[in-house]
Amino acid sequence: EAEVAQSPRYKITEKSQAVAFWCDPISGRATLYWYRQILGQGPELLVRFQDESVVDDSQLPKDRFSAERLKGVDSTLKIQPAELGDSAMYLCASSNEPRGEQFFGPGTRLTVL
Amino acid sequence: QKEVEQDPGPLSVPEGAIVSLNCTYSNSAFQYFMWYRQYSRKGPELLMYTYSSGNKEDGRFTAQVDKSSKYISLFIRDSQPSDSATYLCAMTGGSNYKLTFGKGTLLTVNP
Repeated sequence: EAEVAQSPRYKITEKSQAVAFWCDPISGRATLYWYRQILGQGPELLVRFQDESVVDDSQLPKDRFSAERLKGVDSTLKIQPAELGDSAMYLCASSNEPRGEQFFGPGTRLTVL
Repeated sequence: QKEVEQDPGPLSVPEGAIVSLNCTYSNSAFQYFMWYRQYSRKGPELLMYTYSSGNKEDGRFTAQVDKSSKYISLFIRDSQPSDSATYLCAMTGGSNYKLTFGKGTLLTVNP
């Protein structure tokens, strides 16, 4: 199974700076997810896309987080400004359908100093 | 009460042991149940995907779902050092398709 690609793998930034993460899901998978995983916890959904449309962003802190998937393929998650509490692993996943098996990328580990 | 409860461990077993990992849940709408394995500094990897109650076997892994008790389990037979990882249960159901994860159980298999 081809992997979901994410970059960068690691990011260190200072608080109040802007950061962006990129995800390229397996080709043809219409549903894309961004999760945040704090150390010692399970992943928590931030946003779900169906093709290019956001269908669930109820858990996304919209005052500082934004996500887009302009052509329904790759996606970008942005944080501006970053806060200390944003330090976590940011995971991208994709599936063929909303309730289908979700396949995860390697994640981006963010450290905010 | 959290929707999904999972014993965080850590769990340490000798090579060859049978491992039992468990989760309980409170949301009756959950119908799809998954187990993921996550190695350190990696993304979760799907191990098992089951629908509703019953057992599903794949090699050394068996997933068990008991909806009447709201309890799911993952059994690993003949455990290997390469099985050392964090195991996450996850589930979904209802109308919002949201996948809810447990906190994960850290397993170490000692050679």
